[in-house]
Amino acid sequence: QKEVEQDPGPLSVPEGAIVSLNCTYSNSAFQYFMWYRQYSRKGPELLMYTYSSGNKEDGRFTAQVDKSSKYISLFIRDSQPSDSATYLCAMSAKSGGSNYKLTFGKGTLLTVNP
Amino acid sequence: DTGVSQNPRHKITKRGQNVTFRCDPISEHNRLYWYRQTLGQGPEFLTYFQNEAQLEKSRLLSDRFSAERPKGSFSTLEIQRTEQGDSAMYLCASSSRTAGEKLFFGSGTQLSVL
Repeated sequence: QKEVEQDPGPLSVPEGAIVSLNCTYSNSAFQYFMWYRQYSRKGPELLMYTYSSGNKEDGRFTAQVDKSSKYISLFIRDSQPSDSATYLCAMSAKSGGSNYKLTFGKGTLLTVNP
Repeated sequence: DTGVSQNPRHKITKRGQNVTFRCDPISEHNRLYWYRQTLGQGPEFLTYFQNEAQLEKSRLLSDRFSAERPKGSFSTLEIQRTEQGDSAMYLCASSSRTAGEKLFFGSGTQLSVL
């Protein structure tokens, strides 16, 4: 079993839809949870960064962390064609004062159709 | 542009040749990381520098791989005697305590070994 599981999709939705992306993990030491967006042939771009359990909202994006279930989610409201990309979840345990070592999911390929 | 810069963007080489990639982190970021990403997978941790010190190397980093960060500024990743299995996107990221330890990635170097 991989430490982080993420359904690779692909996921195709119409413009304006609410998108739900999620990951599960097995390592209970993970405390920092991130979502990255990656366009084709580009590097990952940090979208959301959360510590421990709870919700965080930033514009059309909401990240949820449920440590008891080892489950994290990213919701995208009013999805736009420009949101079409691969979404990667990532997480890390605090180690040596730096949460440097990220473990990524495989990524979910999202297409938002106009 | 004050982001992470990687060169070259693409590298095509023949099996058995040596290649070197360069990464210029965000200025004043003291932590620098190398990740590798293959098609359909999330990035995998390779190695990590704090200033000029290489503090951790993944088991993925065989003896043919070497990374340096002289003077704690830019970093180079060298692969000796390349193999077809080395074909991947090599990503560099940087972070600092003042930036909340969030990792910011460059656009990567796409390596193709023929």
